Amino acid sequence: QVHLQESGPGLVKPSETLSLTCTVSGGSISSYYWSWIRQSPGAGLEWIGYIYYSGSAYYNPSLQSRVTISVDTSKNQFSLRMSSVTAADTAVFYCATYKAGAFGYWGQGTLVTVSS
Amino acid sequence: DIQMTQSPSSLSASVGDSVTITCRASQSISNYLNWYLQKPGKAPKLLIYSASSLQSGVPSRFSGSGSGTDFTLTISSLQPEDFATYYCQHSYTTPFTFGPGTKVDFK
Repeated sequence: QVHLQESGPGLVKPSETLSLTCTVSGGSISSYYWSWIRQSPGAGLEWIGYIYYSGSAYYNPSLQSRVTISVDTSKNQFSLRMSSVTAADTAVFYCATYKAGAFGYWGQGTLVTVSS
Repeated sequence: DIQMTQSPSSLSASVGDSVTITCRASQSISNYLNWYLQKPGKAPKLLIYSASSLQSGVPSRFSGSGSGTDFTLTISSLQPEDFATYYCQHSYTTPFTFGPGTKVDFK
């Protein structure tokens, strides 16, 4: 059973960079693509991107210019950085596994509010 | 991007009812369609993958069907724990997109 736990600041100022980390336990970092998904009342569920343990990352084109996903296999963690945030980026951010075409395991989610 | 729509957006039902939710893709996605259940304050949970395959541990009252652009999720006998919001999601190509959700509540 794979367990994922998001961590990071719950409040980010406009124009700054949002940084979140997902810690993985109970599963091999090489077994999945590791994903970030966000959910906001306005935009619903939105796939941000994913990364393989090798470092190959794929992003939603709508966010690609502002997003970087990285992986640290030694720590069993992967991370999200989103730059130049605005109030529209306020959302619950989830990390999740992606395998065989589906998001099978999810973290509990973390609310990030963009506000000054 | 492939757009996903769901109908209805909400429905009211009783325990024991059979419920069907529809999901439509803006273009053919073969069977690259998943269904999730989400309860308030919780992460989505995978129910059905590849349109009709039941995720391990999910009760058999859940079933999925369809291919191409039209898909359905059926709950054969609604249980109290099934009152939630249901989302479809395609994995045909990136960017993956989700439907807007169908909220199932008590009649």
